[in-house]
Amino acid sequence: QSALTQPRSVSGSPGQSVTISCTGTSSDVGGYNYVSWYQQHPGKAPKLMIYEATKRPSGVPDRFSGSKSGNTASLTVSGLQAEDEADYYCSSFAGSCWVFGGGTKVTVL
Amino acid sequence: EVQLVESGGGLVQPGGSLRLSCSASGFTFSRHAMHWARQAPGKGLEFVSSINDIGDRIYYADSVKGRFTISRDDSKNTLYLQMSSLRSEDTALYYCLKDLSGTYSFDYWGQGTLVTVSS
Repeated sequence: QSALTQPRSVSGSPGQSVTISCTGTSSDVGGYNYVSWYQQHPGKAPKLMIYEATKRPSGVPDRFSGSKSGNTASLTVSGLQAEDEADYYCSSFAGSCWVFGGGTKVTVL
Repeated sequence: EVQLVESGGGLVQPGGSLRLSCSASGFTFSRHAMHWARQAPGKGLEFVSSINDIGDRIYYADSVKGRFTISRDDSKNTLYLQMSSLRSEDTALYYCLKDLSGTYSFDYWGQGTLVTVSS
């Protein structure tokens, strides 16, 4: 049950795109299409942004997109906005548990 | 509107026990798997435990296996987490999570209840 690997931080200017990677193993990210992404603002509960690697829940802007290749999943935020500044966590089902990434802080410059 | 309200957190001594509750409303509780996750102060998210809709499939993180027990009471729309043999490393904000059916993801999170393990 090792945590998934995410970069500690990424940054971009308003309007730019940023991509966050999430690397696991064949026992989690690579073995299932059950990767999800969560956005967490300070002092708030996490919010589901992407599920099943590429799907967006209703209400999530289409600026947020997900992809997966092998043992690595990615979240891309296009057209970066000030309100996108937050921590982002990936998660994957791993057969008998779930694993989260360590989190990535997105800073809007 | 879906609501998940956790309760039962507090200060407990190492080796002690605590039972967390999560009161759910706004959806058909009995049709959904439910989960607990936690977040230590200033740290990332960690899966704790999961129970499926009929309660016959239960998972635990290795870090809590043998010490924590998840259960549910569908007549009360309530999820529980019985925690025993608590350690300082169990100090965290504990979140109750609702399953987005069939997707192995969590579409609603409560606001959390804080558990502090300290002498």
